[in-house]
Amino acid sequence: EVQLVESGGVVVQPGGSLRLSCAASGFTFDDYAIHWVRQAPGKGLEWVSLINWDGGSTYFADSVRGRFTISRDNSKNSLYLQMNSLKTEDTALYYCAKAAVGTIVYMDVWGKGTTVTVSS
Amino acid sequence: QSALTQPASVSGSPGQSITISCTGTSSDVGGYNYVSWYQQHPGKAPKLMIYDVSNRPSGASNRFSGSKSGNTASLTISGLQAEDEADYYCSSYTSSSTLVFGGGTKLTVL
Repeated sequence: EVQLVESGGVVVQPGGSLRLSCAASGFTFDDYAIHWVRQAPGKGLEWVSLINWDGGSTYFADSVRGRFTISRDNSKNSLYLQMNSLKTEDTALYYCAKAAVGTIVYMDVWGKGTTVTVSS
Repeated sequence: QSALTQPASVSGSPGQSITISCTGTSSDVGGYNYVSWYQQHPGKAPKLMIYDVSNRPSGASNRFSGSKSGNTASLTISGLQAEDEADYYCSSYTSSSTLVFGGGTKLTVL
């Protein structure tokens, strides 16, 4: 079964840092680009970041560029999101989502998400 | 990276058809045939329903269809069923090599 499991979400103070992880199983991890998408409480989906299959290309939403970095360890079938200079508006459920084969423009498998709360 | 524009809510009776619009610009929806649609039930992760404007993945009901004209994409659900009640989000690839979502549409089945 294709599966993505996010972890690392906690309560953190504004200005703090946090690293989220996404563990993949059931597919050849290094064949696919992976996205991070977030959803603030009661709000819609917001695309956050994308990393290509080998980590050589990364992309970010304007709202997080310069504060977040995305990386992957294909030997561990894992994806990471390093979040620095956190703001209250970063509070959200963070999903990792697998891109479909041969593309980056849509996601065909999603995890259940991990919750990040930025609050003093 | 402004969000794509969707109606906040739509409704329909069982058996009817409804259409949800998704309006962007020539830098996203209008510039690429890379619009996708996701269904999200409360407390659940999103599920892909349509990709590349009008293609349906395996596992998505054939009652769901997509189209695009200019800067506006549309999702049509025919033969509305109670299980279709959910939030729906469009997404598009952009000229900045990023993705952008719409604000979401709450579908109510009356």
